[in-house]
Amino acid sequence: DAGITQSPRHKVTETGTPVTLRCHQTENHRYMYWYRQDPGHGLRLIHYSYGVKDTDKGEVSDGYSVSRSKTEDFLLTLESATSSQTSVYFCAISEEKQETQYFGPGTRLLVL
Amino acid sequence: GQQVMQIPQYQHVQEGEDFTTYCNSSTTLSNIQWYKQRPGGHPVFLIQLVKSGEVKKQKRLTFQFGEAKKNSSLHITATQTTDVGTYFCAVNYGGATNKLIFGTGTLLAVQP
Repeated sequence: DAGITQSPRHKVTETGTPVTLRCHQTENHRYMYWYRQDPGHGLRLIHYSYGVKDTDKGEVSDGYSVSRSKTEDFLLTLESATSSQTSVYFCAISEEKQETQYFGPGTRLLVL
Repeated sequence: GQQVMQIPQYQHVQEGEDFTTYCNSSTTLSNIQWYKQRPGGHPVFLIQLVKSGEVKKQKRLTFQFGEAKKNSSLHITATQTTDVGTYFCAVNYGGATNKLIFGTGTLLAVQP
C-alpha cells in the first residue's frame, strides 16, 4: 500500500463544532483528494489539491474547506459540522492528474 | 451533467458462478479505472483502460472498454469468497479536468 495515513481514524462530534481531518503521505505525490463515501452514493469528491497552496472544489464542497501548506499534508475542515456530514472520509493521492489514485484507510465521522 | 451509471447495485452469487458489472457513461470517456473495496476497507486500484475496444485480463478478472469509449465491464470467472467486496468504476472525461468520477459501485456477495 502507498504511504498514506489519515487521522483520526474515528471521531464523534457534536453539531456545530469544527472538525479537522488530516491526510499525510510519504510518496511525494503532487495530487491529493478528499472524498466522502455514503451508502448509495459511492465516492464523491469534496476538494482536491494539485500542489502546495493549490486547491479546487469537487462536487460536494459546501460546508468544507481544505488547506495544503506542505506537499505531504492535506487537511479537510468541517467549519461547523452537521449531521449530514456523518460519513466515511477517504483521502487519496496520485502522481499526476487522471492517473491511478491510492487511497488512505479512511476516517469514520459521526456528527450527533 | 455527466453521469456514470453502474449496474447492478448488488449481486449475490454462489461460489464458482461468474459475475459481471457494467459501467455506462452518457459522454465519451478519456479512460476508465476500476477499483475494488473490501468490506471495511479502502478502494484499491485494479486496472486502467485507455483504448477503444481494449480488453485486459488479471487472472480470473476480465476488463473491457467499449468501442465507443462510453461503457466498460468487469467480468469475474468462477467467483471465490475472496472476490467479495464493492467494485467501482471511475471515469475520466479528459480535457483539463483533474477529477475522477466514481460510479456508485456494485456490491458482490459470494456464498460458499
